[in-house]
Amino acid sequence: LAKTTQPISMDSYEGQEVNITCSHNNIATNDYITWYQQFPSQGPRFIIQGYKTKVTNEVASLFIPADRKSSTLSLPRVSLSDTAVYYCLVGGMDSSYKLIFGSGTRLLVRP
Amino acid sequence: NAGVTQTPKFRILKIGQSMTLQCTQDMNHNYMYWYRQDPGMGLKLIYYSVGAGITDKGEVPNGYNVSRSTTEDFPLRLELAAPSQTSVYFCASSLMEISYNEQFFGPGTRLTVL
Repeated sequence: LAKTTQPISMDSYEGQEVNITCSHNNIATNDYITWYQQFPSQGPRFIIQGYKTKVTNEVASLFIPADRKSSTLSLPRVSLSDTAVYYCLVGGMDSSYKLIFGSGTRLLVRP
Repeated sequence: NAGVTQTPKFRILKIGQSMTLQCTQDMNHNYMYWYRQDPGMGLKLIYYSVGAGITDKGEVPNGYNVSRSTTEDFPLRLELAAPSQTSVYFCASSLMEISYNEQFFGPGTRLTVL
């Protein structure tokens, strides 16, 4: 299973764009990159998933370079409610869909 | 749909006691998972199941047992509770597709072993 490395914490202000980068040097060919968000006392919530290039949905964008050894989650115009822990995970068929959650990135959005 | 439900929400156990954490999903998902999350840490996979009658170990299976007799239910059993099992336990489920890793999580069970 590919290991991921991401910053322990980040600070931002309301209205700013936040980019959280995750490295996954040992990503396998069949692995997908998935990001989850977790609020205190709640289970994680799926944000976005991608395999290569760029994926965008209503809440975030995911940028994946051609070598797929890293990925960047982009949150546009964050608000106070985006304060949470963000996890980057890689996995797929080869890992029987088992996902490894690291310690995540604690994002604090200030007024 | 209720999604993934877990009971109980909170529980205090004495060392050596046993209990079963219940997990039910109504989305007809093939895959189900049990995680534990210690304070300030990420989630660790305890056990998972790819379908009724099939279970497998995750990263930290020692001290736990599971069964999967139906698609909907995936209970987690603690036989001899130890203080090291104090944690928040999350159950999750997902639909098995080639490119889709979205797991749906329950609200969690906070367990304290004293």
